[in-house]
Amino acid sequence: ETGVTQTPRHLVMGMTNKKSLKCEQHLGHNAMYWYKQSAKKPLELMFVYSLEERVENNSVPSRFSPECPNSSHLFLHLHTLQPEDSALYLCASSRSYGRGNEKLFFGSGTQLSVL
Amino acid sequence: EDKVVQSPLSLVVHEGDTVTLNCSYEVTNFRSLLWYKQEKKAPTFLFMLTSSGIEKKSGRLSSILDKKELFSILNITATQTGDSAIYLCAVLLLQGAQKLVFGQGTRLTINP
Repeated sequence: ETGVTQTPRHLVMGMTNKKSLKCEQHLGHNAMYWYKQSAKKPLELMFVYSLEERVENNSVPSRFSPECPNSSHLFLHLHTLQPEDSALYLCASSRSYGRGNEKLFFGSGTQLSVL
Repeated sequence: EDKVVQSPLSLVVHEGDTVTLNCSYEVTNFRSLLWYKQEKKAPTFLFMLTSSGIEKKSGRLSSILDKKELFSILNITATQTGDSAIYLCAVLLLQGAQKLVFGQGTRLTINP
């Protein structure tokens, strides 16, 4: 257990559905991240929140909408996704952001399939 | 463009063998290099390397960074089937904002 919990573990959705991914960290960290891991591609950073403020948004399409209501919870709201969005979505947290010594702790991910 | 390249992409060895995984990088504003092990889904932290030439060791795993030649290696001795995983290398950049750039990973399979 890494202290970062993601739900659901698996999700299958149609292109017209709306769903949300949830992440919770029990480590007392101040920064949370969403990463996308597609087959045979490096992990891609999607969003970063530090102290509940979004500090990075890496040109992610608007069909992905993050929400960070407090420093322990992070959501990724999904709507009108495309089949190419099928991937493993990983949440991570770190003690702080921007100090250059952060180790990320990852959750087990949500395996998303878009039909 | 910041780039991290791992090799090989895939490696199959027998239990007891020693393996060396490679990670090279071309980035600006290097801060540190990290290794992660991804068994099923969640990558778990192995090492963070900031200084050149100082080996970090944890049991049968060790890693070293060469900041002049811009690469790192991860060694695993006396491999066991439980070492089978994807090993991810990532470089932490720091210039105002912080950025972690990952390589594609090396899929290591240890056969009994």
